Amino acid sequence: DAGITQSPRHKVTETGTPVTLRCHQTENHRYMYWYRQDPGHGLRLIHYSYGVKDTDKGEVSDGYSVSRSKTEDFLLTLESATSSQTSVYFCAIRGQGSADTQYFGPGTRLTVL
Amino acid sequence: GQNIDQPTEMTATEGAIVQINCTYQTSGFNGLFWYQQHAGEAPTFLSYNVLDGLEEKGRFSSFLSRSKGYSYLLLKELQMKDSASYLCAHPNSGGYNKLIFGAGTRLAVHP
Repeated sequence: DAGITQSPRHKVTETGTPVTLRCHQTENHRYMYWYRQDPGHGLRLIHYSYGVKDTDKGEVSDGYSVSRSKTEDFLLTLESATSSQTSVYFCAIRGQGSADTQYFGPGTRLTVL
Repeated sequence: GQNIDQPTEMTATEGAIVQINCTYQTSGFNGLFWYQQHAGEAPTFLSYNVLDGLEEKGRFSSFLSRSKGYSYLLLKELQMKDSASYLCAHPNSGGYNKLIFGAGTRLAVHP
């Protein structure tokens, strides 16, 4: 258990509404990541952070933004949700001194109607 | 390219041995990870290989051949609880430990 929580765990929303997902960690990890997981695609990186206010895009960043104003929280925002963003979203942290292994939060299941 | 290929589905019998293969294409190789993911749950770390050869960890072993771009996960004495998806991943060449994942292999263990 890497002390990672995600909220909400489930959310149903409508097309065009903004949505923010939160990832919270308690162990002062520097690196944090947001992935989405869809059938047939595996896990794909959306955005990542390498420190407070230091973020960058992953391979599927269109339609998403992130913010990291403090070490423990990494927020993922869908400015205007679309049905193609229906997915399971996982947050991960990079373990310290552990071969760069990433450890995942429990996930958020998002449905956009 | 950074494609990772693994079989979509496999089935096996309780008590048997199963080998899940993973092939990858990347330059600047920097290790290969295996994760287990039960349905509806988060991926959990199983193994990490950076050097060639077999690493054993209880009933699970992972093998790597860097020259062939090939890895496999070997599961022995299969149990029903081993029914899960197994994900192969490696860091991409851009740094920051960004992982590239295969689509996963769904393993069904039958009595």
